[in-house]
Amino acid sequence: DSGVTQTPKHLITATGQRVTLRCSPRSGDLSVYWYQQSLDQGLQFLIQYYNGEERAKGNILERFSAQQFPDLHSELNLSSLELGDSALYFCASSVASGGKSGYTFGSGTRLTVV
Amino acid sequence: DAKTTQPPSMDCAEGRAANLPCNHSTISGNEYVYWYRQIHSQGPQYIIHGLKNNETNEMASLIITEDRKSSTLILPHATLRDTAVYYCIATRGGDSGGGADGLTFGKGTHLIIQP
Repeated sequence: DSGVTQTPKHLITATGQRVTLRCSPRSGDLSVYWYQQSLDQGLQFLIQYYNGEERAKGNILERFSAQQFPDLHSELNLSSLELGDSALYFCASSVASGGKSGYTFGSGTRLTVV
Repeated sequence: DAKTTQPPSMDCAEGRAANLPCNHSTISGNEYVYWYRQIHSQGPQYIIHGLKNNETNEMASLIITEDRKSSTLILPHATLRDTAVYYCIATRGGDSGGGADGLTFGKGTHLIIQP
């Protein structure tokens, strides 16, 4: 157990639907990062939050959004889902922004869009 | 993040040292070298990182050349559980004060430990 908790572990939904993925960072970590891993794209950085504020954006689609709450857990919202959004979604956390001591990843949410 | 180049795959016999190379010839002075690994669809796992000096922890050793243009991750006594994709990343790390702090993962090296 890495200390980063992601729920749900698996999610199957239809095209056009909206889903929410949840991440609880490791205790004491202030930064949360979201990554998408699909077969053809590898691990892609989506977005980072630090202590409740958006800190950096990567290759995140406009249909996707995220937020970090006062208790530091984070949610990634995916809407108008397409077949190509099927992927593993990982959350990572670190103490500081930039993760000098390394990022800790969760076990991921596997999203299947049918 | 500076571009890194790794061999796509490597084999190593169980019990032997696995030496994984990484080229990062355009690395800048404030960029660290990080190594992560991913075991079949699990979340990536942090292994080690360094700036200039060689580093060792309970998992591995990191050897960085003096010019910092390349590095080698060493797993001293590889086991079957070390079969994974290993990613070398050059990034600022730390409290960079702004900008994109997300890690840029390449394709990595698929290390296969043979029994």
